[in-house]
Amino acid sequence: QLQLQESGPGLVKPSETLSLTCTVSGASITSDNDYWGWIRQPPGEGLEWIATIHHTGVTYYKPSLKSRITISVDTSKSQISLRLSSVTAADTAVYYCARLSYASGNYYIDLWGQGTLVTVS
Amino acid sequence: DIQMTQSPSSLSASVGDRVTITCRASQTIGIYLNWYQQKAGKAPKPLISAASTLQSGVPSRFSGSGSGTDFTLTISSLQPEDFATYYCQQSYTTLPLTFGGGTKVEIK
Repeated sequence: QLQLQESGPGLVKPSETLSLTCTVSGASITSDNDYWGWIRQPPGEGLEWIATIHHTGVTYYKPSLKSRITISVDTSKSQISLRLSSVTAADTAVYYCARLSYASGNYYIDLWGQGTLVTVS
Repeated sequence: DIQMTQSPSSLSASVGDRVTITCRASQTIGIYLNWYQQKAGKAPKPLISAASTLQSGVPSRFSGSGSGTDFTLTISSLQPEDFATYYCQQSYTTLPLTFGGGTKVEIK
């Protein structure tokens, strides 16, 4: 069954580094038309894209977060990882792992993980 | 960054009503516009890609239209399971991808 599963600490202290892992099952992480990313949603707010990676290592980061974010892929484990440094309360959010399917110039999020709440406190 | 503005931010409607949600881009984005449905406490669900392509399993009462800067999501006959928040997302620029602020559809 096609599935994305996020894992990581639910509580992170201010100024520390948030680390999350997404495990992909039921799909190849090395498909050329698939990109993998992280999207977050602060409590009661909207969706915010933060980073995307292709299995070849090409990365895209939200400019305002670029200095603090690292996204990586481990194809042998079918995992995508996110590290966000120097966190503050503003980074408290549900973090979703997602697959972005690329077709005819359009990046479309066709698969979402269930999300994991990370609280900075 | 391309800004995406949804309107209204919320609406109240009854079962059977026709509902239209608008998404406007701050610059032209062709048809690189996608729609998602999110129910409380759940991950978003893909509805429509490339402005008007209905995803597999999505009921035909949902439809999308538009190009350039103005897009609409229409629910032709609102059903109880459609009460949710709807988001648009542009991918004209991959850096950064941006979402609209969301439209919450509530029961009247």
